[in-house]
Amino acid sequence: EVQLLESGGGLVQPGGSLRLSCAASGFTFSSYAMSWVRQAPGKGLEWVSAVSGSDGWTYHADSVKGRFTISRDNSKNTLYLQMNSLRAEDTAVYYCAKGSSVYSSSSLNYWGQGTLVTVSS
Amino acid sequence: QSVLTQPPSASGTPGQRVTISCSGSSSNIGSNTVNWYQQLPGTAPKLLIYNNNQRPSGVPDRFSGSKSGTSASLAISGLQSEDEADYYCAAWDDSLNGHVVFGGGTKLTVL
Repeated sequence: EVQLLESGGGLVQPGGSLRLSCAASGFTFSSYAMSWVRQAPGKGLEWVSAVSGSDGWTYHADSVKGRFTISRDNSKNTLYLQMNSLRAEDTAVYYCAKGSSVYSSSSLNYWGQGTLVTVSS
Repeated sequence: QSVLTQPPSASGTPGQRVTISCSGSSSNIGSNTVNWYQQLPGTAPKLLIYNNNQRPSGVPDRFSGSKSGTSASLAISGLQSEDEADYYCAAWDDSLNGHVVFGGGTKLTVL
């Protein structure tokens, strides 16, 4: 059974940093692209970042480029999102999601339960 | 403002057929496949349709997807009360070194 378990969310001040983790199990982690998608309170889904399966190509939304970095450790079956220079508009539930293939970032066939990040003073 | 355009709301009565549209451009829907997600209240999104018209295992065949040019549609036939949810379309966009774009979402109400 595929499981994705996010952690690392919480309350952080504007300008601060946070690192999200997503522990994956139930599939060959290195064979699939992984993504982070966020959802601000009462708003729609916004794709944040993606990383390919084994060669590590990364992609980031313009809204987070230069501030957020996605990475993965295939030896630990874990996905990360390093978030720096956080802003109030980054407040959202952050979902970890599995791609349906090694490069697929828009077809996300499994999602975690999400972790809430609140940026406020 | 989302890159993919969806109607904010849709509604239907039990048993009816409803469709939700998703409009994009040549850099996203026009050149890549479309995926649809269903988000029930208080839960994580779930992949409903992938590669324009394919259903993952377990998704009822009441749900179907189609694509033509730079637009796509999700159809739900035999509407049921448990279909009340938010629906999102998504696609890869080839512009700006590549990224994923979502529609703004459509809230489906079963009357």
